[in-house]
Amino acid sequence: SYELTQPPSVSVSPGQTARITCSGDALPKQYAYWYQQKPGQAPVLVIYKDSERPSGIPERFSGSSSGTTVTLTISGVQAEDEADYYCQSADSSGTSWVFGGGTKLTVL
Amino acid sequence: EVQLVESGGGLVQPGGSLRLSCAASGFTFSDHYMDWVRQAPGKGLEWVGRTRNKANSYTTEYAASVKGRFTISRDDSKNSLYLQMNSLKTEDTAVYYCASSAYSGSYYGLGYWGQGTLVTVSS
Repeated sequence: SYELTQPPSVSVSPGQTARITCSGDALPKQYAYWYQQKPGQAPVLVIYKDSERPSGIPERFSGSSSGTTVTLTISGVQAEDEADYYCQSADSSGTSWVFGGGTKLTVL
Repeated sequence: EVQLVESGGGLVQPGGSLRLSCAASGFTFSDHYMDWVRQAPGKGLEWVGRTRNKANSYTTEYAASVKGRFTISRDDSKNSLYLQMNSLKTEDTAVYYCASSAYSGSYYGLGYWGQGTLVTVSS
């Protein structure tokens, strides 16, 4: 079955830039989506179609794609950005969707 | 305001069945792709399945872990999404979320989520 691989954890100081990667063989063909989830809350979509930002999401959130890796970048990290982040995409057929294992972002 | 409200969760024995419902409001439900996503206690997100909109023939897709046991359906006249779960296993224990594509027409990521309903499979 298809898998997306994320680092389990990333730590940054306030004001710095956090980069969270997600790797998968089908990412050159399929868009990636990123979600933020805080404890006890439903996930929130922060990036769609690799690099598009939904309305209401701060500009400090951005996404990029290169080959089999997509990256979520949070510039000028704030304490409120501390959360779990998940990437999502589909296999090469586009019919089986998966989430990455999630990355816990810690703001030091 | 967009709202998704799940119901129907609870305790069920292994091998049993349960039907979850999701009531939608605040957007044109019939135009949106709808997904079910689950999260086991203390674990990550797991995609369960999807139903597309009428324009895409209401086609459905499922994760391998639930295919043949779970069925997703929708009733656009009631703005409702359903998840029929049969032959439940202990590993199906999770909070089940219904979620909608962020924009109508196609898939743009899951922009709207319900609060989730807990399903516990245990004897």
